Amino acid sequence: GAVVSQHPSRVICKSGTSVKIECRSLDFQATTMFWYRQFPKQSLMLMATSNEGSKATYEQGVEKDKFLINHASLTLSTLTVTSAHPEDSSFYICSAGVSGETQYFGPGTRLLVL
Amino acid sequence: GDSVTQMEGPVTLSEEAFLTINCTYTATGYPSLFWYVQYPGEGLQLLLKATKADDKGSNKGFEATYRKETTSFHLEKGSVQVSDSAVYFCALSAGGRRALTFGSGTRLQVQP
Repeated sequence: GAVVSQHPSRVICKSGTSVKIECRSLDFQATTMFWYRQFPKQSLMLMATSNEGSKATYEQGVEKDKFLINHASLTLSTLTVTSAHPEDSSFYICSAGVSGETQYFGPGTRLLVL
Repeated sequence: GDSVTQMEGPVTLSEEAFLTINCTYTATGYPSLFWYVQYPGEGLQLLLKATKADDKGSNKGFEATYRKETTSFHLEKGSVQVSDSAVYFCALSAGGRRALTFGSGTRLQVQP
């Protein structure tokens, strides 16, 4: 099946710094990728839809200036958490689809902001 | 808005036991329903899906039937194995959106 990778798998940073997370589709092209956030023992919550060559679409309540998304190619989307704070600590997961409804998920990135 | 409710875990079973993980949903229109599985250290993988009422999704011995009247999509397996130990997520997509709405996940632990 299709493979989606994320990098890094785990990152620890100081409060006030920015962190970039990459999501790559390894063996297929994805015009649309999705970014989710998961708090401990809670659901995955959709943050935004990343569209290749255009602006991302953010869910209600997600700050677009805080969570910058760039989908510069058909195989790469990046999520940058700007001026990170401890409350941004979470598990970030991306997904991409080839067609239809089936989504392929990356392994996730655990962010810890000190 | 759309939502998915799953039974809380962890669910601990002995090998060869019968498994049921309950999932109910609320959604506008006619959603597609999914079960995803996440093995330790790996990304979510699609386990099975159903796109319309009374459809049964099945894979690897797991089954779930789309019940519109009870808005449910319960996951079942007749005989679990240790290798089935993972976190299981029920999810839906509705309204033409490809993005998914997830339940909170249920951790299954199967003991030999």
